[in-house]
Amino acid sequence: GAGVSQSPRYKVAKRGQDVALRCDPISGHVSLFWYQQALGQGPEFLTYFQNEAQLDKSGLPSDRFFAERPEGSVSTLKIQRTQQEDSAVYLCASSLGSMETQYFGPGTRLLVL
Amino acid sequence: GDSVTQMEGPVTLSEEAFLTINCTYTATGYPSLFWYVQYPGEGLQLLLKATKADDKGSNKGFEATYRKETTSFHLEKGSVQVSDSAVYFCALSDGPGNTGKLIFGQGTTLQVKP
Repeated sequence: GAGVSQSPRYKVAKRGQDVALRCDPISGHVSLFWYQQALGQGPEFLTYFQNEAQLDKSGLPSDRFFAERPEGSVSTLKIQRTQQEDSAVYLCASSLGSMETQYFGPGTRLLVL
Repeated sequence: GDSVTQMEGPVTLSEEAFLTINCTYTATGYPSLFWYVQYPGEGLQLLLKATKADDKGSNKGFEATYRKETTSFHLEKGSVQVSDSAVYFCALSDGPGNTGKLIFGQGTTLQVKP
């Protein structure tokens, strides 16, 4: 079956631009996580959804970062007024439940110039 | 807060050599422990996991044992292959009652030479 998909795979933005990153989880997966992976580092947690409810956004680095999952399926991570330090790979993962195995998408590589 | 520390890489081995990648953790509760692998050009994949103390996770010849007394979850394989070349991440998830978010180590690059 289809895995987690993310789009776009690559995004180049000029500093100050807004970007939107999309995640399509595995069908039926209740839980959805966003992570940020800087070059040469492990992924770091950004935010968590259970269905459409955003239950944990403690990892979002600033109020420029916003995530939503309005119908409990597709999720969008939006970054406003991008900065160079936002350059990273953004990973989405979904699972049947919060304590179940997380399945990761291929990531979106964001480069802010 | 909770954290994971992995041995630094890169680790370079010859084919059929024995592999150990060390991982230790700090956690306040009773986390589950994971090893994820990232092959070149691919996404993160779960390699193995253990959910309680003394559990052994295994997959594809890799093994790791959840050691509560030493707060460790070292990854081992008896005979590595060139195809095992990848980046390996140790991770924990906060326990029941929490979100299940994963906390990762910094990753260890393994290169296996023929």
